[in-house]
Amino acid sequence: AQSVTQLGSHVSVSEGALVLLRCNYSSSVPPYLFWYVQYPNQGLQLLLKYTSAATLVKGINGFEAEFKKSETSFHLTKPSAHMSDAAEYFCAVSEMGSGNTGKLIFGQGTTLQVKP
Amino acid sequence: KAGVTQTPRYLIKTRGQQVTLSCSPISGHRSVSWYQQTPGQGLQFLFEYFSETQRNKGNFPGRFSGRQFSNSRSEMNVSTLELGDSALYLCASSLQGARETQYFGPGTRLLVL
Repeated sequence: AQSVTQLGSHVSVSEGALVLLRCNYSSSVPPYLFWYVQYPNQGLQLLLKYTSAATLVKGINGFEAEFKKSETSFHLTKPSAHMSDAAEYFCAVSEMGSGNTGKLIFGQGTTLQVKP
Repeated sequence: KAGVTQTPRYLIKTRGQQVTLSCSPISGHRSVSWYQQTPGQGLQFLFEYFSETQRNKGNFPGRFSGRQFSNSRSEMNVSTLELGDSALYLCASSLQGARETQYFGPGTRLLVL
């Protein structure tokens, strides 16, 4: 069964510092991987997605993620944190085996705190 | 295009009651998925509807059900509410499925007393 593990439920960085949020997945076939962000009292917004076209994926708001098959990882990075980046971030994988169904498997989430 | 809308945004019910939540997807989207979000369990998939048919179902009891109408609007129903059903219920729509971008609504926050 597919699964997603996000290492670190809380990450704190200073404004202007590098943001690194870790995600590891378990899948027996090439996965579709996603990063979503959730601001307080809102739904989820897609930051970026990996669909096997390129291992380095660029998303919105300066975020990017690199797919590393050998490490089964899809870590999210941003060179310089901004106060507005404070939110909860979710890594997700699209379930395989039954076609393109509307099921995502989410990690437990990482809360990013940005200190001034 | 208008985004995914969910109604109501907040709901308070008592144990044993039933509740119906509504989701209007983005125009043209045929896939509607429902998720339950709680602090303890995180985001869990409930079910997905595509062209009025349930295409996928998560591991939830039969008290949780849903349907999709011909205009792709979807409803989910929870019968015999339990305290543990208190959660944020999120609806997401996409053109065909989760491999395209799923667009999430703001959610319905359900509190069961």
